[in-house]
Amino acid sequence: DAGITQSPRHKVTETGTPVTLRCHQTENHRYMYWYRQDPGHGLRLIHYSYGVKDTDKGEVSDGYSVSRSKTEDFLLTLESATSSQTSVYFCAISETEKQYFGPGTRLTVT
Amino acid sequence: QKEVEQNSGPLSVPEGAIASLNCTYSDRVSQSFFWYRQYSGKSPELIMSIYSNGDKEDGRFTAQLNKASQYVSLLIRDSQPSDSATYLCAVNRGGATNKLIFGTGTLLAVQP
Repeated sequence: DAGITQSPRHKVTETGTPVTLRCHQTENHRYMYWYRQDPGHGLRLIHYSYGVKDTDKGEVSDGYSVSRSKTEDFLLTLESATSSQTSVYFCAISETEKQYFGPGTRLTVT
Repeated sequence: QKEVEQNSGPLSVPEGAIASLNCTYSDRVSQSFFWYRQYSGKSPELIMSIYSNGDKEDGRFTAQLNKASQYVSLLIRDSQPSDSATYLCAVNRGGATNKLIFGTGTLLAVQP
């Protein structure tokens, strides 16, 4: 987890509320990723970034948006949280093909 | 068919034995392959990468790749209880974005 932090680490929110998760890196890596991890599904890519202001969708992007205004920060926003978005969210960074993960955020939507 | 498939386990081995974890992938253009270890409640940790056919050894870990059979494996020699974790196989199909496709992981339990 060195060089990658995620905040908050735990969050409980109500259905319909907006939620923003933050990923911060000190490694100056170009690529950043947001995954969710659910039992039986493994890690699934939500969105990724290949530079400041350069982002693209992953395989499960519906209901999520991202922004990257600085190299070190990648924000994931749930515009209107739903119970199906209850999950563990991991941020990852890479400069080459190897990805390194942050500590994760456990999000519960009630 | 899932792009990356792993047996979910649990795979139970006695302490000191060799644990063999397997992974198959469906896309023949896949370029590079990774093994991550994930302890319960923790984040995935990269432990091995392999890019060409054959074996790659790092300490007690050996990664094996067979592109013709679309098969990658991880061997853990002299298994220890501390190796008990979920092992995730990940595949990079190439391209500029370094995106990985993950398997669902195999739970390994090393019995003392």
